[in-house]
Amino acid sequence: AQSVTQLGSHVSVSEGALVLLRCNYSSSVPPYLFWYVQYPNQGLQLLLKYTSAATLVKGINGFEAEFKKSETSFHLTKPSAHMSDAAEYFCAVSDLHFGNEKLTFGTGTRLTIIP
Amino acid sequence: NAGVTQTPKFRVLKTGQSMTLLCAQDMNHEYMYWYRQDPGMGLRLIHYSVGEGTTAKGEVPDGYNVSRLKKQNFLLGLESAAPSQTSVYFCASSYSVTGEGYTFGSGTRLTVV
Repeated sequence: AQSVTQLGSHVSVSEGALVLLRCNYSSSVPPYLFWYVQYPNQGLQLLLKYTSAATLVKGINGFEAEFKKSETSFHLTKPSAHMSDAAEYFCAVSDLHFGNEKLTFGTGTRLTIIP
Repeated sequence: NAGVTQTPKFRVLKTGQSMTLLCAQDMNHEYMYWYRQDPGMGLRLIHYSVGEGTTAKGEVPDGYNVSRLKKQNFLLGLESAAPSQTSVYFCASSYSVTGEGYTFGSGTRLTVV
């Protein structure tokens, strides 16, 4: 079974600083990978996805992620943090063996922005 | 666009009571899913459906039942609620084409006392 590991359940960065949220995956086949964001008391919203096209993927709100097969990683970055980025972020991998979009989620990283 | 709508948004149950959570989507998605979210555990799949009239067990199905009588609706039932089922429940839907991702509802916060 495929899985993802998110390193760091809580990350704090200063406003304007680089945001780096880590995600490593395990998969026996080329995976599809996703990042979702959850704002307080809301559902999850798709930030970006990797589906075996370009390895550098750009998403909404200035976020991007790079697929690195050699490191089995799909880390999420943003050059300059904004207060509105405070949220919980989930990495997910698609289980292609089911032939559909059955996603397995990481345990999440809560991002705090320090003014 | 309504997307995925979950009702109710909040509910408090007594141990042993039953209830049904409703999920409705208006995007003509084939696949629908129920997840529960607990602190430090991320999202865990309870049940899912790959089309009208079908259901399948996910990672944590015990204590829950589901039905998909209409393509747009996916119901999650708790027959006899337990405190361990206190959680936030999310419904999601997707097309059958891999790579599209999910559309999530806004969640139902359930407390069992």
